[in-house]
Amino acid sequence: TQLLEQSPQFLSIQEGENLTVYCNSSSVFSSLQWYRQEPGEGPVLLVTVVTGGEVKKLKRLTFQFGDARKDSSLHITAAQPGDTGLYLCAGARGAQKLVFGQGTRLTINP
Amino acid sequence: EAGVAQSPRYKIIEKRQSVAFWCNPISGHATLYWYQQILGQGPKLLIQFQNNGVVDDSQLPKDRFSAERLKGVDSTLKIQPAKLEDSAVYLCASSADISSYNSPLHFGNGTRLTVT
Repeated sequence: TQLLEQSPQFLSIQEGENLTVYCNSSSVFSSLQWYRQEPGEGPVLLVTVVTGGEVKKLKRLTFQFGDARKDSSLHITAAQPGDTGLYLCAGARGAQKLVFGQGTRLTINP
Repeated sequence: EAGVAQSPRYKIIEKRQSVAFWCNPISGHATLYWYQQILGQGPKLLIQFQNNGVVDDSQLPKDRFSAERLKGVDSTLKIQPAKLEDSAVYLCASSADISSYNSPLHFGNGTRLTVT
């Protein structure tokens, strides 16, 4: 059973377009993290959201945690080829282990 | 600060052979994790250490996988004997303490294992 479902699994868009990827669960998480992973490397943490309804911005990336702390979204404005990668969400319940979604593989075409 | 170091980067073995992976976490990080990432999937936790004690190994296939973290620093993950379905990237991560919110995970670049 996949606790965290990410959608879409694959997304290929043109440079300059906007996009949103989603991370959904039926479980409540105390915090949720977003990572980006490039080929041949380990995931790198982008952001952690903790409070229901919280919105965090990282340059052109906007992360939102759902009010009920069961879902999250990542919105990228004016996507660039450097945004290409595998985006992973990971949820934590208290001090328990992180559970990862299966990822969204994003390709930005020049 | 130096990141999480893993070796080897790549390993190709035949099924039923043995293999070992090594991880050196960020200096001072008490918590160490081994994840398995199968192609097209997110990382799955195999085992979590706090210092040299095991916190969670519920998803570790203990009939063939073993891991240790002697002296609470470096760690090794072993597979014996390997199966075809063990082909994956094995990621090591560390964090300053056991709370993932207060102490985010830092990942190494992984070891890509191919079992033929």
